[in-house]
Amino acid sequence: QTVVTQEPSLTVSPGGTVTLTCASSTGAVTSDYYPNWFQQKPGQAPRALIYGATNKHSWTPARFSGSLLGGKAALTLSGVQPEDEAEYYCLLYYGGTHVVFGGGTKLTVL
Amino acid sequence: QVQLVESGGGVVQPGRSLRLSCAASGFTFRNYGMHWVRQAPGKGLEWVAVIWYDGRNKYYADSVKGRFTISRDNSKNTVFLQMNSLRAEDTAVYYCAREGYDVSGYYCDYWGQGTLVTVSS
Repeated sequence: QTVVTQEPSLTVSPGGTVTLTCASSTGAVTSDYYPNWFQQKPGQAPRALIYGATNKHSWTPARFSGSLLGGKAALTLSGVQPEDEAEYYCLLYYGGTHVVFGGGTKLTVL
Repeated sequence: QVQLVESGGGVVQPGRSLRLSCAASGFTFRNYGMHWVRQAPGKGLEWVAVIWYDGRNKYYADSVKGRFTISRDNSKNTVFLQMNSLRAEDTAVYYCAREGYDVSGYYCDYWGQGTLVTVSS
């Protein structure tokens, strides 16, 4: 069974920078896994942020960026705002037959 | 604008069936794959199933394989999730999501607001 691992929780100060990561139990994450990142606030549906590891949707704020870092997918928030406090999920595609979500990272802005 | 609206959720007894629908509008439905994703109370997102744009290929999470069936009607811009032999652990908010593809790969961009399924006696 494929497992995708994220940090359970992270804390960042307003205006700071934080990086969330997404690892696969099958090995290094590459662009072939088409990493996607989503933000979810309590009581809301997920909102797409990043796809293809580095690409932003038209609505994605500029302070969000995606990358591949040390065999993992990564989401970096620069100049964090209070409204960025949320749960963040990564999603990886496996061979076109199934996708797996990471367990989520609860980001606290404090 | 793109809209996805789920319906069909409710309270159902273990072992019974339920059919969810997701009505799409604001885009050319037949050009996009569609996913179902669920979220148990207080838990993370769990992928359930995907159906290709033309309905020819369907894939499922191991946790629902053999019990759930995804289908679509491109003439009605709707994707369905038939859920049989429901268990308590299927209790969740069920979301549908649109899947697109470009040179950078696959992505899920638009999501519905979800429909709650509660499996309880």
